[in-house]
Amino acid sequence: AQTVTQSQPEMSVQEAETVTLSCTYDTSESDYYLFWYKQPPSRQMILVIRQEAYKQQNATENRFSVNFQKAAKSFSLKISDSQLGDAAMYFCASKLYNNNDMRFGAGTRLTVKP
Amino acid sequence: DGGITQSPKYLFRKEGQNVTLSCEQNLNHDAMYWYRQDPGQGLRLIYYSQIVNDFQKGDIAEGYSVSREKKESFPLTVTSAQKNPTAFYLCASSIGGLVTEAFFGQGTRLTVV
Repeated sequence: AQTVTQSQPEMSVQEAETVTLSCTYDTSESDYYLFWYKQPPSRQMILVIRQEAYKQQNATENRFSVNFQKAAKSFSLKISDSQLGDAAMYFCASKLYNNNDMRFGAGTRLTVKP
Repeated sequence: DGGITQSPKYLFRKEGQNVTLSCEQNLNHDAMYWYRQDPGQGLRLIYYSQIVNDFQKGDIAEGYSVSREKKESFPLTVTSAQKNPTAFYLCASSIGGLVTEAFFGQGTRLTVV
């Protein structure tokens, strides 16, 4: 079994500033993947960034980066130079390698202030 | 164009009726998923399937049923046993194994009156 916890229901950031969204997970498996997905008002789920658990190096995709702390089972998302288009719901997810079981957190609603 | 198609986008049913939500993918993905989304509760896993003719219950399977007779299709039936079926339902698929992320359909909003 696995669980994903996002403790921040809402966050806000000023345009061009940096914001960090928190996520913790729990699994007894050793092989898994972690993701951040973005859900804009259209409700279409968009992959933001992925991290393989066996990789020590933190993933980066342009303005998005993660802080992956495997021992602490923490997987936070940092958004730099925030843009108005970043406003959305953000979901953290984990997926087990052995059976493709994929679970999501409750989400964080990000507001970007101009 | 490859992708995942959920239909219909909006669905209305009377209480006590079973209803089936469609999910079709042409991505040749092995794994498929159904999630339910309610405000403040994120995406909760209903069922997932790793391969044809196989599926596993998620956290909230009660009141739902699925089938996986074809690789491309993973329909979800919301039965009358589901106490609070009004919600937004998302279908997803992934190749599985080393290829990681899931791709999502556009969702079906089910309203039971």
